[in-house]
Amino acid sequence: DGGITQSPKYLFRKEGQNVTLSCEQNLNHDAMYWYRQDPGQGLRLIYYSQIVNDFQKGDIAEGYSVSREKKESFPLTVTSAQKNPTAFYLCASSPRLAGGSTDTQYFGPGTRLTVL
Amino acid sequence: SQQGEEDPQALSIQEGENATMNCSYKTSINNLQWYRQNSGRGLVHLILIRSNEREKHSGRLRVTLDTSKKSSSLLITASRAADTASYFCATFPANAGGTSYGKLTFGQGTILTVHP
Repeated sequence: DGGITQSPKYLFRKEGQNVTLSCEQNLNHDAMYWYRQDPGQGLRLIYYSQIVNDFQKGDIAEGYSVSREKKESFPLTVTSAQKNPTAFYLCASSPRLAGGSTDTQYFGPGTRLTVL
Repeated sequence: SQQGEEDPQALSIQEGENATMNCSYKTSINNLQWYRQNSGRGLVHLILIRSNEREKHSGRLRVTLDTSKKSSSLLITASRAADTASYFCATFPANAGGTSYGKLTFGQGTILTVHP
């Protein structure tokens, strides 16, 4: 899991509540990503960020929001607008996005979110 | 169907046997990467092969890439029980612009079980 930490490991949310998942990296990477993984499925990109104070929507951004105020931090908020939020959420980082086509991604250990 | 589809979906073998997983994709790529995920954990990068490469080795791993068939294979030789995990291929697009810029697209994975 390298130098990326995610917290909490498990999170339970009541319907209608917003929750924020933490992602911190000490790898000095420019780019950070949030993915969602459903059982038996691959990863789907929610949001990504190339640099501080900049982020882009991924393939399934509806119902989610992010911020990138610091290079090392990229928190994800799952809002009440997300209709089916129960899933495994993975944060990743890579050294650079622009021109970094050969860069690999380093993943955190994940947060499992369950809506009660 | 999705960019990056693995085959088979599940593979069960005995320790010492070789395991072969395949990945097919639809659009032109810059590179293809293989990742491993232990149950309930984050992904770990295994190997990257560029579009102008045909074969690459790393320890007991051998990856091939056939761009004419838009397919790749991952071979794990002399498998061990510790190789039990899900394996994902991920493609990086050839077009360095637009919304696909910098985004890896993951397949749904192959679940490998190696019996002692």
